Amino acid sequence: QQPVQSPQAVILREGEDAVINCSSSKALYSVHWYRQKHGEAPVFLMILLKGGEQKGHEKISASFNEKKQQSSLYLTASQLSYSGTYFCGTESPARQLTFGSGTQLTVLP
Amino acid sequence: NAGVTQTPKFRVLKTGQSMTLLCAQDMNHEYMYWYRQDPGMGLRLIHYSVGEGTTAKGEVPDGYNVSRLKKQNFLLGLESAAPSQTSVYFCASSWGLEVENEQFFGPGTRLTVL
Repeated sequence: QQPVQSPQAVILREGEDAVINCSSSKALYSVHWYRQKHGEAPVFLMILLKGGEQKGHEKISASFNEKKQQSSLYLTASQLSYSGTYFCGTESPARQLTFGSGTQLTVLP
Repeated sequence: NAGVTQTPKFRVLKTGQSMTLLCAQDMNHEYMYWYRQDPGMGLRLIHYSVGEGTTAKGEVPDGYNVSRLKKQNFLLGLESAAPSQTSVYFCASSWGLEVENEQFFGPGTRLTVL
């Protein structure tokens, strides 16, 4: 079953913050986050494992609440280069990824 | 290192024709995957492989076949193409058994079935 992402789309000005949420009804091994620019392949951002992990990657960080089966991606002080579609992927114990339908992020100057 | 490569980049087929998409990776990854991406649907797993000589069905396997005769290559076949198979196809690979199983994606193949 596909994880649910919210919001579906968000428009920001440079320097503003955004949060993208991902929730699943299935038991998870991990949560992946990828970013895809138009016409390109998805690019890996980070993985969060079980255990309430948080991670940071420059101004992009994420958290994983294992009990709630939810993950959130935080983008702070957004830059034009952050524009794209963000996908969460929930990984099963069998190491298969099921992707959400994506959140389209647009950063305006 | 080229990473993950896919051929062809674009293809137009007529209904009923067959074709094979080739994915190659030079990272010695164990796991390989084929996804399709349709507008607003995200990526959906078609088939995957956990090692040379193995294949398994994903979420949307109907109408597709795969083979992994060599560790570095993963082939996706369409025996009788249908308009519903118009999509962008992505191949990916990963170490598989590592704790952090990051997937590396190829550039995609845009397929149109008329």
